Amino acid sequence: GENVEQHPSTLSVQEGDSAVIKCTYSDSASNYFPWYKQELGKRPQLIIDIRSNVGEKKDQRIAVTLNKTAKHFSLHITETQPEDSAVYFCAASYNQGGKLIFGQGTELSVKP
Amino acid sequence: DTAVSQTPKYLVTQMGNDKSIKCEQNLGHDTMYWYKQDSKKFLKIMFSYNNKELIINETVPNRFSPKSPDKAHLNLHINSLELGDSAVYFCASSHRGQQPQHFGDGTRLSIL
Repeated sequence: GENVEQHPSTLSVQEGDSAVIKCTYSDSASNYFPWYKQELGKRPQLIIDIRSNVGEKKDQRIAVTLNKTAKHFSLHITETQPEDSAVYFCAASYNQGGKLIFGQGTELSVKP
Repeated sequence: DTAVSQTPKYLVTQMGNDKSIKCEQNLGHDTMYWYKQDSKKFLKIMFSYNNKELIINETVPNRFSPKSPDKAHLNLHINSLELGDSAVYFCASSHRGQQPQHFGDGTRLSIL
């Protein structure tokens, strides 16, 4: 069935370091891969997304890479700041009403 | 103006009661979703409606009944509430079932 595995579940880094979160998906028909950031008590907010016809996408300090063959995609945050601390979710979707299958989440803590 | 708004924000009630959560979006989208986020932060799709028609029902107990009076509204009615229904429920919307999805602020449901 549809499944998205996300690792690690928790990640602690020093301010200024890089953070990497990895996800794998099971359905090879998946063609859209968003990343959401969720701060405590808030809604998930889209921070970056990538579609299956692209291998990499970058937006300032955030980048996402996609390996379709391995069914693997990753979020890279450079020069981390304390305000990056949150829970990050990866997800996968394909054209079946657009439902998102989420990973389990990664709690990122950036220490000043 | 909030793009996807949910009411109420908090809902505390007793086991066995019936309650409703309302969702409205002003983005002009035609597809709306309900997600459940449990105590472990796991986000899971429940339902999706496109132009008032149900297109996704992820084996949710039939105590949960979504209703879409028009494409800008998707309400969730829950009968005979159980302890396991305690969670945060997020509404989301998108255009034509495509991505990205925009999330509401969530409704925190607590069952006593």
